[in-house]
Amino acid sequence: AQSVAQPEDQVNVAEGNPLTVKCTYSVSGNPYLFWYVQYPNRGLQFLLKYITGDNLVKGSYGFEAEFNKSQTSFHLKKPSALVSDSALYFCAAPYNNNDMRFGAGTRLTVKP
Amino acid sequence: DTGVSQNPRHKITKRGQNVTFRCDPISEHNRLYWYRQTLGQGPEFLTYFQNEAQLEKSRLLSDRFSAERPKGSFSTLEIQRTEQGDSAMYLCASSTPLRPGGEQYFGPGTRLTVT
Repeated sequence: AQSVAQPEDQVNVAEGNPLTVKCTYSVSGNPYLFWYVQYPNRGLQFLLKYITGDNLVKGSYGFEAEFNKSQTSFHLKKPSALVSDSALYFCAAPYNNNDMRFGAGTRLTVKP
Repeated sequence: DTGVSQNPRHKITKRGQNVTFRCDPISEHNRLYWYRQTLGQGPEFLTYFQNEAQLEKSRLLSDRFSAERPKGSFSTLEIQRTEQGDSAMYLCASSTPLRPGGEQYFGPGTRLTVT
């Protein structure tokens, strides 16, 4: 079984600056980790996932995430934030290989 | 559009009434999931189907909740005798057969308001 935690409710960055949205995990065995994004009044959209292999995972819309086993983290990053990146971001991990367990979410606001 | 669809998108009902939501998954996906999301929280798992079989139910799914997927295609989620605490976004997701690390694809959700 796996669980994730997002320590920040809110992240604010200026447009053009790098952004980081944090996620830590607790797992037994090999972790499978995901990032999803939710825009207002929309469902969740898959961004990227870590299964195995390279610790730096690249995903949609220029996002990437770094898997760090020693720090049990899977932080979401983007080199240059856009105003349109403003949304709710969820870290997730499968529970018993069935349902997905989500963090509480981090609201990202990118200011012009 | 071949994504996951949900109907209705919004439902307002009075306490004590029954409501039913529908989810149409991506056609080649045999796994279907229901989640509930309240304001400011991440989605919480309710139940999932593999084909027509309901394989797991969360403790969140009280006796007033029932889900079906009769032919292994679309699914319905019914809430009987709705309570104000049932007000939430109900999300449906689908995925391909189980493999480690398979991502789920979500529909737009049905927002339920119980007055």
